[in-house]
Amino acid sequence: EPEVTQTPSHQVTQMGQEVILRCVPISNHLYFYWYRQILGQKVEFLVSFYNNEISEKSEIFDDQFSVERPDGSNFTLKIRSTKLEDSAMYFCASRPLTGGSNQPQHFGDGTRLSIL
Amino acid sequence: QKEVEQDPGPLSVPEGAIVSLNCTYSNSAFQYFMWYRQYSRKGPELLMYTYSSGNKEDGRFTAQVDKSSKYISLFIRDSQPSDSATYLCAFMFSGGYNKLIFGAGTRLAVHP
Repeated sequence: EPEVTQTPSHQVTQMGQEVILRCVPISNHLYFYWYRQILGQKVEFLVSFYNNEISEKSEIFDDQFSVERPDGSNFTLKIRSTKLEDSAMYFCASRPLTGGSNQPQHFGDGTRLSIL
Repeated sequence: QKEVEQDPGPLSVPEGAIVSLNCTYSNSAFQYFMWYRQYSRKGPELLMYTYSSGNKEDGRFTAQVDKSSKYISLFIRDSQPSDSATYLCAFMFSGGYNKLIFGAGTRLAVHP
């Protein structure tokens, strides 16, 4: 069964450094998402992306965050200057365009980001 | 009042038991209701997806939605040790770009 793939599985970065998290969504999916889960807390929406632009973002997704689809397969989340509170699991999700506008999202296994 | 309330557990049951997991919500604009299962250090895995009041069954799993009471449930019959995981309820508005609103998750342990 097709799946969302995320790399790396674990990223350790010094505070203030830039980090890029990578995702390969399911191939026929056209809507892409990033979510965050701080240890012991709920999964929170960060941003949605469609047709090469951000369609919605949460208040967490401030100017330090950016997303990009640099080619036909990858979808990236960049944090420009990391803070300690950015330590969390980051999940990428995608869903298809076909089958109606309300198809459920499928998630990758996440990248655990640890800021030192 | 929180938008979504879900008892975090943990819930511990013997193998073969019927498990009932519940979420309440306050936003009547939610139109789509999902249950995801999350194993330790893994991403949420879609279990059930529904958009109407009533029951939906898939194997040992039954999702129940009561829009009038703003209450959703997931029932697991003949629970197995492999069902041990965190179960997340999730909600979605109709239209738009469809971000998901998650509950906090209920940890379930099924012991042999």
